[in-house]
Amino acid sequence: AQSVSQHNHHVILSEAASLELGCNYSYGGTVNLFWYVQYPGQHLQLLLKYFSGDPLVKGIKGFEAEFIKSKFSFNLRKPSVQWSDTAEYFCAVNEAGANNLFFGTGTRLTVIP
Amino acid sequence: EAQVTQNPRYLITVTGKKLTVTCSQNMNHEYMSWYRQDPGLGLRQIYYSMNVEVTDKGDVPEGYKVSRKEKRNFPLILESPSPNQTSLYFCASSLDWGGAEAFFGQGTRLTVV
Repeated sequence: AQSVSQHNHHVILSEAASLELGCNYSYGGTVNLFWYVQYPGQHLQLLLKYFSGDPLVKGIKGFEAEFIKSKFSFNLRKPSVQWSDTAEYFCAVNEAGANNLFFGTGTRLTVIP
Repeated sequence: EAQVTQNPRYLITVTGKKLTVTCSQNMNHEYMSWYRQDPGLGLRQIYYSMNVEVTDKGDVPEGYKVSRKEKRNFPLILESPSPNQTSLYFCASSLDWGGAEAFFGQGTRLTVV
């Protein structure tokens, strides 16, 4: 089965700090990549996704992610975080053409005002 | 409004007492799935369904059943719940599984005592 690794379990930042959350996956073939966000007490919502084309994708709320195929990575970034970004972030990978979606274990982000 | 609705949101039950968690989507999606979310483990897929009467096991299917008699509904059944099934459960639907965005329900927090 696909393995999705998010090495940062809990990240604490002050407002206006820059954010980068790591995501690595194990599948060597074509993949579709996602970042989902879960605000406290809420369901998961899609932040951004990559299917093909430009490896730098932009999502909602100022987030972006870069797909680096050679590193099997899809790291999430934001130049300046806000208190409202406090949430849990999940990376997910779909093997193109397959009926699956594998999630990482999630990274909890706490932004201190 | 496009949504995935789960009921109940919270449930406390006793070991061995059969229960059903309902899931309904209004987007005419073919693909539906159930996940459980546990601390440090992220989301793990329990079962998925690619269409009416087509279901298959995910990564952690033991102790669960599902059915897909109608396109919009995908209930999760625990015939004999045990304490290790205490978890947060999410239902999700998507247009297909070629990597389309998954829409998640609000979650059901189940406690089995």
